[in-house]
Order: sequence, then structure tokens, then C-alpha cells
Amino acid sequence: SQQGEEDPQALSIQEGENATMNCSYKTSINNLQWYRQNSGRGLVHLILIRSNEREKHSGRLRVTLDTSKKSSSLLITASRAADTASYFCATDRSSNYKLTFGKGTLLTVNP
Amino acid sequence: KAGVTQTPRYLIKTRGQQVTLSCSPISGHRSVSWYQQTPGQGLQFLFEYFSETQRNKGNFPGRFSGRQFSNSRSEMNVSTLELGDSALYLCASSLAGTGEQPQHFGDGTRLSIL
Repeated sequence: SQQGEEDPQALSIQEGENATMNCSYKTSINNLQWYRQNSGRGLVHLILIRSNEREKHSGRLRVTLDTSKKSSSLLITASRAADTASYFCATDRSSNYKLTFGKGTLLTVNP
Repeated sequence: KAGVTQTPRYLIKTRGQQVTLSCSPISGHRSVSWYQQTPGQGLQFLFEYFSETQRNKGNFPGRFSGRQFSNSRSEMNVSTLELGDSALYLCASSLAGTGEQPQHFGDGTRLSIL
């Protein structure tokens, strides 16, 4: 079963705009990660945020985590056409050596 | 450093056959995980291996099996293939396999069942 659910399922914006994707999960977690997947390729790790952290930045990416609401958001600022991809959140629980992925948000950035 | 390598990239099989997929992790990574990705179910965890031991297994039938060798390379096998096994199979490696580390994915094997 899916632990995380991304919202929206699809998002279309213009280059230069910001993109925000949300992830909700059901049970307590140790960490939450965000990944990107270009069509037909494997996933690429973007950022990891621990359960005791509230916000994390990496370049144009900003991730927030609200454990009380069991939700996270990924903000991509000043988007580029190359950011077009699917974005997934993945959660880790209690060192059970697996990540549980949501179904992803398909982001399209129009030039 | 070379990334995660999966072979073959594409595979076409018929129902009832069996298939073996291969994954070579990043050098030094001892944990290898396998995932099945389909449009309907998304990314589903299959199993994880560390130092040749399976530490976790997802909710898949016994037709799905895997193993890991002493050099950390891993294979997964699917027997008696069904149409529903058509999917992208992704392998990921990490140093220790805990959720505190990012996983590094290969580009997958696209399996099509006719």
C-alpha cells in the first residue's frame, strides 16, 4: 500500500514560475525523501529531511516537513524546462530497510 | 564513479516463461533494493539485500525472488510470468540501506509480457 500521496497528480506551469508539490503520509516516519524521475529513466535523489527537521534547502529546492500534519512540500523556484519530470516523495519507517513511495506529481514546465 | 547498472534495458517475454534481471550497484554500496513500477500501482517495493541477506520483502507472490552475490551484485527472478508482471523494474543501491541515506537508482529494465 502507498504510504505517501502526492498532490497534485499533475502540474503545468511556465518557465520562471514556482512549482509546489505536496505529500501526505499516514504513519510516523524517520525520514522523508524527494526524488525526480525523467521519462523512461531511474529516480534521482533530490533531498532528504529528517523527522526532527522542519525545513531544508538545496539550490532552487525547498522542502518543508510538518510531522503533526503528516505532510511535506517541495518547492521548486524559478522553474526551467529541464525541471519537467515526475516527482515522488518516499518515507522511511523504523529502519525496516525500505522506502515507501507515493504515486508522484507530473510537473510540466513550458518554455 | 560508475552509477547503478541494470541489464538488460528491455525485455520481451511470453506468459509462463521466467526471467532474470541483473543489477550492479555503485562500488562500495552493500545494500540493493528492487522496485516494480507500473502506471496503476506506482512504485512497489520488492525486496532489499545487504551482504547477501534479504532483510525485507514486499507483498509480492513467491514467483518473485532475488539474491545478492558476495560482490554486492544482485539478481531478481520472476517465474511463470503473467501479463500483470509487465512493468519497469528498478534497482537501487546505497551504502547501508537505511532510510537515512539516499538511494541511487539504475535506469531500470522494461519488461513486457505478451
